[in-house]
Amino acid sequence: QAGLTQPPSVFKDLRQTATLTCTGDTNNLGSQGATWLQQYQGHPPKLLFYRDNSRPSGISERLSTSRSGNTAFLTITGLQPEDEADYYCSAWDSSVSAWVFGGGTKLTVL
Amino acid sequence: EVQLVESGGGLVQPGGSLRLSCAAAGFSISNYWMDWVRQAPGKGLEWVANINQDGSVRHHVDSVKGRFTISRDNSKNLLSLQMSSLRAEDTAMYYCLGGPLFDYWGQGTLVTVSS
Repeated sequence: QAGLTQPPSVFKDLRQTATLTCTGDTNNLGSQGATWLQQYQGHPPKLLFYRDNSRPSGISERLSTSRSGNTAFLTITGLQPEDEADYYCSAWDSSVSAWVFGGGTKLTVL
Repeated sequence: EVQLVESGGGLVQPGGSLRLSCAAAGFSISNYWMDWVRQAPGKGLEWVANINQDGSVRHHVDSVKGRFTISRDNSKNLLSLQMSSLRAEDTAMYYCLGGPLFDYWGQGTLVTVSS
């Protein structure tokens, strides 16, 4: 089951804007939307957005999502030290009836 | 307070079996699809299996088909994962998750497959 594609690492300065990308195909991102998760080392993942834009309570307004075709984007504005984490995208793939994940992007805030 | 608590992990030899459990509190799992996701040490997330509200629909990732089975007992608010014919590559932290936005995650239980 092929997964989604994410860049392994992104480096951004404090207070700048980071846009993380996630690329799939028409069977997953293109039709189902992206789910985004944040994970700190040694902790379980935390849901940020479900299927593009359903946001659980408590998720910062500095985070937003968008999608263009088979590519999804997670944008974080006004980067803070606490934004330094691993970010994963995921989507339901209807061709294999399975959730597929990206390999994760490690965001470093300089 | 919503809680998911996994248990049943441990050290097992290749070819062995384990049964993971996930006890829910603060919400009823009967309302939601429930999933298992795993993470090998130092690696990314991998979805393992899910099951619908009444247990009539189950999906498993190809790498565990025929070896793992997800199940649920709504009366006990309990999700399970029966694992057999375990391999070294099954070594991972196993998380259960569910909820209206799949925003309820447990802390995980560690499975180590090694001789």
